[in-house]
Amino acid sequence: KQEVTQIPAALSVPEGENLVLNCSFTDSAIYNLQWFRQDPGKGLTSLLLIQSSQREQTSGRLNASLDKSSGRSTLYIAASQPGDSATYLCAVLGGSNYQLIWGAGTKLIIKP
Amino acid sequence: DVKVTQSSRYLVKRTGEKVFLECVQDMDHENMFWYRQDPGLGLRLIYFSYDVKMKEKGDIPEGYSVSREKKERFSLILESASTNQTSMYLCASSLNWVAGLAKNIQYFGAGTRLSVL
Repeated sequence: KQEVTQIPAALSVPEGENLVLNCSFTDSAIYNLQWFRQDPGKGLTSLLLIQSSQREQTSGRLNASLDKSSGRSTLYIAASQPGDSATYLCAVLGGSNYQLIWGAGTKLIIKP
Repeated sequence: DVKVTQSSRYLVKRTGEKVFLECVQDMDHENMFWYRQDPGLGLRLIYFSYDVKMKEKGDIPEGYSVSREKKERFSLILESASTNQTSMYLCASSLNWVAGLAKNIQYFGAGTRLSVL
């Protein structure tokens, strides 16, 4: 059964730092991996989607990588800003029922 | 842009009440989903639907039912609300999987925070 783990559960860094969020999964048979952002009390916003055949995707200051063989993905945020403060979730699409399996998220706080 | 609208942001109900959570999407998506989100547990799938009048159980369907009479609307029903159903409920929609699994993205509503007293 696919399991998705995000470490750390929470992270606090000063503004301007580059940072990396981690996501690991146990079954490499996935169709894609997605990173989402969730602001407090709000819904989820899709940030990046990496197809299973891809190694990375970039959007602005965000870069996500995927290594299926090791079951790992990282979300790199460059030059962090207070507005980046949110919970970041990763999810993998796979299995016979084509469902997203979710990590529990990393709560990120960027200190001004 | 895809818009997924959940009818209520906050709801307070009493134990035993019948509760309806409504979700509407405007992108003609075939798939619709209901999740609940609890601290430290991530998102858990309650039910999903891949077509009108079709429904499939997710990981935690007990105590819930759903209705999809029109393509754009997916309702979650708590037949008799209980305190352990206090949670954040998130609705999502996506294109049908035959359109391509590798690029399949789910779009989310703003969520409904339900408190059952």
